[in-house]
Amino acid sequence: EAGVVQSPRYKIIEKKQPVAFWCNPISGHNTLYWYRQNLGQGPELLIRYENEEAVDDSQLPKDRFSAERLKGVDSTLKIQPAELGDSAVYLCASAWTGGSYEQYFGPGTRLTVT
Amino acid sequence: GENVEQHPSTLSVQEGDSAVIKCTYSDSASNYFPWYKQELGKRPQLIIDIRSNVGEKKDQRIAVTLNKTAKHFSLHITETQPEDSAVYFCAASTGTGSARQLTFGSGTQLTVLP
Repeated sequence: EAGVVQSPRYKIIEKKQPVAFWCNPISGHNTLYWYRQNLGQGPELLIRYENEEAVDDSQLPKDRFSAERLKGVDSTLKIQPAELGDSAVYLCASAWTGGSYEQYFGPGTRLTVT
Repeated sequence: GENVEQHPSTLSVQEGDSAVIKCTYSDSASNYFPWYKQELGKRPQLIIDIRSNVGEKKDQRIAVTLNKTAKHFSLHITETQPEDSAVYFCAASTGTGSARQLTFGSGTQLTVLP
């Protein structure tokens, strides 16, 4: 089966610029997660979707971050405006909550803000 | 919320030796404990997991043990090989089904010396 797809893989922007990341989960997976992974750290949850509903966005910095999951499939995470501290790898993961507990991760988008 | 601590942060072993990584968690309601392996520049991949109703699980050279009373769990890799070199993350999860979310440890950089 195809894995979780993310694009772009790498992005370099100047601070105060907007940026968007896209994720296509594994077909049939109803749950989608966005994580941020800082260098040398484990992933930290930003937002979790059940189908098209954001059921946990408590860790999402809502002043500059936004996300959507239209039609409960693909998802987009946006930052506007970006700050230097946003440099990190942004990981998308998906899972089917009716089956195993496993979350499948995408390859991530490495964001560098200069 | 849940807090997961992981030790050591770096670990070097000789090829063929065993490696042990330990994690502690804070939320006694946590019921699922996966371990992920992340090679440089790649996505985290699940290597083994354990649920709270089991004390030990083994898969070839990899085993995980769980002590619910002490709230700690460990990853054991025997007969290590150079390809085991990677960053390993433990995680703990509460909730069930759609309410499940992972809290990750900070990672262990394992280096297997040939």
